[in-house]
Amino acid sequence: QVQLVESGGGVVQPGGSLRLSCAASGFTFSSYAMHWVRQAPGKGLECVAVISYDGGDKYYEGSVRGRFTISRDNSKNTLYLQINSLKTEDTGVYYCAKDRSSVRRGPEGFFDFWGQGTLVTVSS
Amino acid sequence: DIQMTQSPSTLSASVGDRVTITCRASQSIRNWLAWYQQKPGKAPKLLIYRASNLEDGVPSRFSGGGSGTEFTLTINNLQPADFAIYYCQQYDTFGTFGQGTRVEVK
Repeated sequence: QVQLVESGGGVVQPGGSLRLSCAASGFTFSSYAMHWVRQAPGKGLECVAVISYDGGDKYYEGSVRGRFTISRDNSKNTLYLQINSLKTEDTGVYYCAKDRSSVRRGPEGFFDFWGQGTLVTVSS
Repeated sequence: DIQMTQSPSTLSASVGDRVTITCRASQSIRNWLAWYQQKPGKAPKLLIYRASNLEDGVPSRFSGGGSGTEFTLTINNLQPADFAIYYCQQYDTFGTFGQGTRVEVK
């Protein structure tokens, strides 16, 4: 069965950095676009970044562009999110999510499987 | 960016009720719309995609409709497991979600 397991969250000061990971199993990871979606405490969902199945195309939400970098290692079935210059408003649970459609290159997509999330807290 | 607006924000209902949630897009998204259910402390769960297609394993009491800019999620014969928060998401472009609708016990 499909499993997505995030890790790497924690407490970090404003301006700091973190690298989130998402270990995938149960499907052909290299065939699917992957997404990061975040949720601030008590708030709604926000798409943050998406990467195409082969890593060749990447798209970001406007407020994180230039600070966040999505990447993947298909040989390790792992998705990453490097987050730099963290702000307090970046606090929240970060989910990795699998795109329903295979071999997608564009930024659009919906999510048929989600991880359990990893909490990022930005606080001084 | 395409803005998604859900109504109502909170819906009070009883077991057995039929409830409808509306989602409006700031521009046409054709039928590129998904619905998710989220329970406290859990990841969202896909219910419906392409506006009206029921995801495998989702009970048939859930249904979706609409196209263009206006969409609905209907739950017939509301069950105790259905009290949760529901989100719509457009995927015509880079995904954006509605703000959520909480379905609570009346």
